[in-house]
Amino acid sequence: EVQLVESGGGLVKPGGSLRLSCAASGFTFSSYSMNWVRQAPGKGLEWVSSISSSSSYIYYADSVKGRFTISRDNAKNSLYLQMNSLRAEDTAVYYCARVPPGSRDMDVWGKGTTVTVSS
Amino acid sequence: QSALTQPPSASGSPGQSVTISCTGTSSDVGGYNYVSWYQQHPGKAPKLMIYEVSKRPSGVPDRFSGSKSGNTASLTVSGLQAEDEADYYCSSYAGSNNRNYVFGTGTKVTVL
Repeated sequence: EVQLVESGGGLVKPGGSLRLSCAASGFTFSSYSMNWVRQAPGKGLEWVSSISSSSSYIYYADSVKGRFTISRDNAKNSLYLQMNSLRAEDTAVYYCARVPPGSRDMDVWGKGTTVTVSS
Repeated sequence: QSALTQPPSASGSPGQSVTISCTGTSSDVGGYNYVSWYQQHPGKAPKLMIYEVSKRPSGVPDRFSGSKSGNTASLTVSGLQAEDEADYYCSSYAGSNNRNYVFGTGTKVTVL
């Protein structure tokens, strides 16, 4: 079964850091581009960052550029998001999602992990 | 980074059809055939319903269909069923830059 499982969320103070993980199983992780997408409470979806299959191409939304770092370890079938200098507006459910080879659409999503930034 | 524009709500009775629009620009919806639609029930993760404008993933009922004209994409749900009540989001690829993907504002579909 194809599965993405996020972890690492929690409560952190403004200015703090958190590292999210996404464990992949049931497919050849190294062949897929991956994304992080977030959803603030009661709000819509917002793309955060993407990384190509070999980590050659990395992109960030302007709202997180310079504060967040996406990475992956294909040997461990894992995706990461290092989040620094966290702000209240970063409070959201964070989803990881895969993009199949040859496509640009996110076809499988994890269930998400919740990040709360509050003092 | 502007979101794609969707109507906040749409509704229909069981068996009827509802169409949701998703308006972007030539830099996203109009520029690529990578428009997807996601269904999200409360407290759940988004589920892919349509990809590459009009293709349905395996397991998605053929009541769901997608199309695009210029900078506007559309999702039609025919033969509405109670379980179709959910939030729907469109998404478009927007190029290899720091606006890689853009999502729509979301539409709440209510089955009357």
